[in-house]
Amino acid sequence: AQTVTQSQPEMSVQEAETVTLSCTYDTSESDYYLFWYKQPPSRQMILVIRQEAYKQQNATENRFSVNFQKAAKSFSLKISDSQLGDAAMYFCALNNAGNMLTFGGGTRLMVKP
Amino acid sequence: DAGVIQSPRHEVTEMGQEVTLRCKPISGHDYLFWYRQTMMRGLELLIYFNNNVPIDDSGMPEDRFSAKMPNASFSTLKIQPSEPRDSAVYFCASSWDRWGDTEAFFGQGTRLTVV
Repeated sequence: AQTVTQSQPEMSVQEAETVTLSCTYDTSESDYYLFWYKQPPSRQMILVIRQEAYKQQNATENRFSVNFQKAAKSFSLKISDSQLGDAAMYFCALNNAGNMLTFGGGTRLMVKP
Repeated sequence: DAGVIQSPRHEVTEMGQEVTLRCKPISGHDYLFWYRQTMMRGLELLIYFNNNVPIDDSGMPEDRFSAKMPNASFSTLKIQPSEPRDSAVYFCASSWDRWGDTEAFFGQGTRLTVV
């Protein structure tokens, strides 16, 4: 069985500042993919960033980057220059060889103007 | 492509009634997933299909829940009879038939309220 844990139910950040959302996971697979999804109030689930477990280099997408620590099974999301539109629920997810996405419990991010 | 389309967006029903949620995946996608989202349990995978065949339904809560995929462009999730604890947001998602490197595209969800 695989599990994904997000230990921060809620986070807040000042506009233009940087915030890091934490995620830890457990899986017996050696090959897998990790994702961060954003869910704004519209409920749409939007893929933010993806990391292949076999790649040592951390993924980056514009203001979003990850800190992937495979040995520690940690996958944190860093948002730089936070914007009001970043306010949302963020879900960490793990996809293993069985092609089943397992989600963490989510972190609600608030951005203060 | 219009993305994954779910209907209805909102559904309010009385306990004991049958509820059917619908999903149209992205054309060409070989996998279709049904998820349930609640405050208490977060996002849970209920069932997923590959090429219209149910592969894993271990997440389906109980026999009151059933899902079908009669063709590549349509799937339903049915609850009969519905109960108040079934109230949740139900998401459908689809993806390409590529192991691992799989971005799941989600619909906007159906908010179900059972009173």
